[in-house]
Order: sequence, then structure tokens, then C-alpha cells
Amino acid sequence: GNSVTQMEGPVTLSEEAFLTINCTYTATGYPSLFWYVQYPGEGLQLLLKATKADDKGSNKGFEATYRKETTSFHLEKGSVQVSDSAVYFCALRLTSGNTPLVFGKGTRLSVIA
Amino acid sequence: EPEVTQTPSHQVTQMGQEVILRCVPISNHLYFYWYRQILGQKVEFLVSFYNNEISEKSEIFDDQFSVERPDGSNFTLKIRSTKLEDSAMYFCASSQTETGELFFGEGSRLTVL
Repeated sequence: GNSVTQMEGPVTLSEEAFLTINCTYTATGYPSLFWYVQYPGEGLQLLLKATKADDKGSNKGFEATYRKETTSFHLEKGSVQVSDSAVYFCALRLTSGNTPLVFGKGTRLSVIA
Repeated sequence: EPEVTQTPSHQVTQMGQEVILRCVPISNHLYFYWYRQILGQKVEFLVSFYNNEISEKSEIFDDQFSVERPDGSNFTLKIRSTKLEDSAMYFCASSQTETGELFFGEGSRLTVL
């Protein structure tokens, strides 16, 4: 089946620290990969995506590269800010048909000043 | 900016009671979804809806669940007889096209006592 595994949280970092949140996937077909973010009191928002192998998605200083050989899509940011504190969800969606998003459990990030 | 809105933000109910969760998708979107997240677990797909009918549903979406678009703007999820294990955060989402980006609401937290 299709599934996403992401690193357990919570993750607590100091401001300007380097962030990595690991995400690996299994898929029966050829997926697109996503990172969603949920800020406190808000809904899930698309942060970035990649639709084919070796693509790099990027937004707001965050990056993730679609690695087919390791079935991974790790999220990175070089210097986190307090405003990045949120829950981050890795997700996949098969590219054929109206298939649902499959999410990981989410990783809570807290950035302290 | 258009957004998906959900009500109520939090509902507490007794086991066996009926619950209706409401969602107003973005106005020009045609595809609608419900997901849920039990505390500490993954965000799980429940159902997708297009052209006034269910297009896909998960094994979670049993006979106790139903969805409806009663008036062209609201999209509702009904749980006929709630169980303790229905306690979760329920997310509504909509998209403009079959493979387009999903826009999520803030979620409705359901607590079944």
C-alpha cells in the first residue's frame, strides 16, 4: 500500500538552527510528494511539493528533494525562525486519477528565541 | 484570500449521539474531501466528493458516516451514532480540479464522551 513515515517529534530548536525533518514513503505507483504545515489555530497549508524524481520543492526558505533511490523527501531549512513553529506533515499522492493524499503523522517543531 | 471554513471548531458529544460537521469550501472548487486525525496518529483520508456523489471512500467511512452538499455551498459530514473512537480532529478540504492543490480548513475537533 501507500504510506508515509516521518520522524517523530516534537523537535525543539533555537532560532537560526538548521532543521531537518525526515520523511520516507512507500507507494504502489508513481507519487507526487508534499509537505504541509499547520500553524497554531490554522488549517493545513501546502508548503512545497515535488512531482518527479530529483525535483526540489522550495518555499519560505524550506527545501525538500524527491529522492526516488532512497524513497525520501526530507524537509530542510538552513536557519529557522520562531515563526516557523508549527506542525509539519509529509504526504504523497499518486499521480494517476483522483487518489487521496496519504499523510504522515506530523512533526511538531518549536523554535525558541 | 479565499479559504475553507469549518464549524464548529470544537464539539463535545455523548456516545451514540448524531453529529454534523460543516464545511464551506472555496466557492469555485468542485472536489471536496474529509480527512481526520486521531490524536497522535496520522491524518487519514475519509471520503472524496464530486458532482454530488462520493467518488472515493476509505474503509473508515462505514455506514455510520455520510456526506452531503445540501445547498451548493455547504459540505457536511454526518456521524449517525458516535463512538468513543470517533474522537478526532476532522479536516475538510477542497480543490478546483481533480489533481489540483487541496486547500484545508482549520479543522473541527470532535470529542465523544
